[in-house]
Amino acid sequence: TQLLEQSPQFLSIQEGENLTVYCNSSSVFSSLQWYRQEPGEGPVLLVTVVTGGEVKKLKRLTFQFGDARKDSSLHITAAQPGDTGLYLCAGAGGGAGKSTFGDGTTLTVKP
Amino acid sequence: DTEVTQTPKHLVMGMTNKKSLKCEQHMGHRAMYWYKQKAKKPPELMFVYSYEKLSINESVPSRFSPECPNSSLLNLHLHALQPEDSALYLCASSQVQQVRNEQFFGPGTRLTVL
Repeated sequence: TQLLEQSPQFLSIQEGENLTVYCNSSSVFSSLQWYRQEPGEGPVLLVTVVTGGEVKKLKRLTFQFGDARKDSSLHITAAQPGDTGLYLCAGAGGGAGKSTFGDGTTLTVKP
Repeated sequence: DTEVTQTPKHLVMGMTNKKSLKCEQHMGHRAMYWYKQKAKKPPELMFVYSYEKLSINESVPSRFSPECPNSSLLNLHLHALQPEDSALYLCASSQVQQVRNEQFFGPGTRLTVL
């Protein structure tokens, strides 16, 4: 069974601060997705990382896939209230159509 | 069209009722999923359909019955549910591939079982 540990579970910061969310596993994934979910809505895909060591940037968000494809991180620079939400990492490769989700990080950015 | 739609948005039902949740996508995706999500928790996989055939059932109780009438539609039939089944039910779709399992989620149906 593949497991993804996500940390921290909860994060409350002031607008303008930086933060990093981690997603770790002992298993190798063929790719890893990051999603953001706002209250009352479904998760929205932010990015997919596939290659070990890959770094992708999406405006103020930077995503990194570990060299061994077992872990990933999400760094947000100068967080804004609009970044508030539940951030989920999901690893693919555990079987046809099946992704392993991390436990999620609930981020609150206060104005 | 990159949207997954779900109806209804909210549903309240008694334990003896029968109801159905509906999901539709027009992205040409041939994999469709049902998830159950409790507050501030990750989605829990229930069922996966691949090319309109049930490929994964995560030991879901038989009071939940999925159906995939065609490649664009996915239903979840509900019967004799329990209060602990109250949750957000999410539908998702993706291309059928193992490397980049990028899923597109609908907004969910908020289900309350009384």
